Amino acid sequence: EAGVAQSPRYKIIEKRQSVAFWCNPISGHATLYWYQQILGQGPKLLIQFQNNGVVDDSQLPKDRFSAERLKGVDSTLKIQPAKLEDSAVYLCASSLFAGPANTGELFFGEGSRLTVL
Amino acid sequence: DQQVKQNSPSLSVQEGRISILNCDYTNSMFDYFLWYKKYPAEGPTFLISISSIKDKNEDGRFTVFLNKSAKHLSLHIVPSQPGDSAVYFCATSYDKVIFGPGTSLSVIP
Repeated sequence: EAGVAQSPRYKIIEKRQSVAFWCNPISGHATLYWYQQILGQGPKLLIQFQNNGVVDDSQLPKDRFSAERLKGVDSTLKIQPAKLEDSAVYLCASSLFAGPANTGELFFGEGSRLTVL
Repeated sequence: DQQVKQNSPSLSVQEGRISILNCDYTNSMFDYFLWYKKYPAEGPTFLISISSIKDKNEDGRFTVFLNKSAKHLSLHIVPSQPGDSAVYFCATSYDKVIFGPGTSLSVIP
């Protein structure tokens, strides 16, 4: 079974530039998550999709971050314009279930490391 | 506000001995409690979980204990092996999965 695929693995940009990350979840997984992990901290949930609808985006900085999940499968996360504090690893994860049936077992991709100079 | 806390940023243990990683949480509504393991340059991987209705779950060398009255859980690894060296995240699940800041475990051969 193929895992969660993410690209690019690494990206270096200057502040105020834009960047986009792509994620393809495990086939059949209804729920897709984007987490931000800053060095030395735990992953922080940015947005959660169930199929192609947004379940939770309460911690997404909507003035600069946007995300979409096309046709309930793969997803893109965009940052525009980037700030220095956006330097982090962006992790995509998927799970079979959401809500009360979700035991919390998420399958993560390898992450996309962003450096903003 | 930190709903999931791991107060030890790092832990060093001799190979063959027990590793005990601790986690505290604030929200009594959490349904499941999980531990994830993360190696450098990789995404976190699920290790073990426990339902809020249980107080212990065991899987091979890994055992998770839940103390609901204290809002505390711990992960025991016995015996510890060098390959267990990684960052361990405690996580909780209700309507979303929330992670703690992690504990970096080093198992010394």
